[in-house]
Amino acid sequence: AQKITQTQPGMFVQEKEAVTLDCTYDTSDQSYGLFWYKQPSSGEMIFLIYQGSYDEQNATEGRYSLNFQKARKSANLVISASQLGDSAMYFCAMREPYNNAGNMLTFGGGTRLMVKP
Amino acid sequence: EAQVTQNPRYLITVTGKKLTVTCSQNMNHEYMSWYRQDPGLGLRQIYYSMNVEVTDKGDVPEGYKVSRKEKRNFPLILESPSPNQTSLYFCASSLSRGVNTEAFFGQGTRLTVV
Repeated sequence: AQKITQTQPGMFVQEKEAVTLDCTYDTSDQSYGLFWYKQPSSGEMIFLIYQGSYDEQNATEGRYSLNFQKARKSANLVISASQLGDSAMYFCAMREPYNNAGNMLTFGGGTRLMVKP
Repeated sequence: EAQVTQNPRYLITVTGKKLTVTCSQNMNHEYMSWYRQDPGLGLRQIYYSMNVEVTDKGDVPEGYKVSRKEKRNFPLILESPSPNQTSLYFCASSLSRGVNTEAFFGQGTRLTVV
């Protein structure tokens, strides 16, 4: 079974509007970390935001916020006031503590976001 | 500036010709990993290293080798590349093991095997 599922392969959003990118995850661990990365067309991976499983408040970083619903195992990324520079691929990732000697991040398949002017 | 540096950024090679992708980090991180990125699959871990001379397989290790002779360097070796290894490769490092530890990624190496 997929550990990280991103159900939206591609999305459009109008400039200045908010957009939500979906991410659901599967783990039996109580402690885990959830990450979102942005990959622009140049290819590099840019860390956006982190949410710990025990964090009581949703994480926020500038225009990025994470809508964390633990019972539903979802960690959706919300981008407010979209800008043209937000057009990129976005990846949701999880790190579990157990059976993970390599400190591995498990990634979803990604969502390509396109911002329309 | 704290960074992970990969070389080359782009590489086109022929089937069977050995190649090495270099990775170096300047943050004195213990953990280093190689990932490959394929459409629809996200990034998958190939190999990782917990410290000098300590390496182990990730999820997709077939056809790859690594070494960690110095803490800062973690090269990825393809001894006999095949077209199914055409992919975007990332090296990553992190200070320690932990669910909240940030991973620092290199710029990526786009490899094409013909």
